Amino acid sequence: AQRVTQPEKLLSVFKGAPVELKCNYSYSGSPELFWYVQYSRQRLQLLLRHISRESIKGFTADLNKGETSFHLKKPFAQEEDSAMYYCALLTGGGNKLTFGTGTQLKVEL
Amino acid sequence: NAGVMQNPRHLVRRRGQEARLRCSPMKGHSHVYWYRQLPEEGLKFMVYLQKENIIDESGMPKERFSAEFPKEGPSILRIQQVVRGDSAAYFCASSPQGAGVNTEAFFGQGTRLTVV
Repeated sequence: AQRVTQPEKLLSVFKGAPVELKCNYSYSGSPELFWYVQYSRQRLQLLLRHISRESIKGFTADLNKGETSFHLKKPFAQEEDSAMYYCALLTGGGNKLTFGTGTQLKVEL
Repeated sequence: NAGVMQNPRHLVRRRGQEARLRCSPMKGHSHVYWYRQLPEEGLKFMVYLQKENIIDESGMPKERFSAEFPKEGPSILRIQQVVRGDSAAYFCASSPQGAGVNTEAFFGQGTRLTVV
């Protein structure tokens, strides 16, 4: 069965420090992975998808099939990056997203 | 476009009552997804619907839970005879076509159900 694991419930970093939010997945098919973000009192929104190989708000994520990982990275954290981050895997023939439990990122001054 | 609208935002029900959660998708979106988030857990897929059709209900509990997306009006997630374990945040998402690698699903702000 498919599974997404985000081992850290809370990650606290100082402003300007590098950030890495971990995500590992388990899936027998070809994985399609996403990162979603939820800022305080806002709705969940798509941050980036691996297929686009894009950088959004300075964040990047590389799919590593050997390690079954899709870690989210940013070289220099900003205060406005503080939010809840969810890693998600598209399964079910493209119909459903399987989410991890999320990591709360707190950027301190 | 107001985005995906869910109401109510908060719902309190006594054990044994019915809970009805509504989701109005974004304009032009005909695909709706429901997710449930229990405390300390990730979002769990429940059901995927298109207008008047249930496409995938593999995440729905076998009893007491039902969902519909009529031709007119919002999608409804109905929970009959609620129990304390149903207390959770229920999120709805919509997309213009089936969510895939190139199709973004947009989420509502959720309905927080509390069963007392």
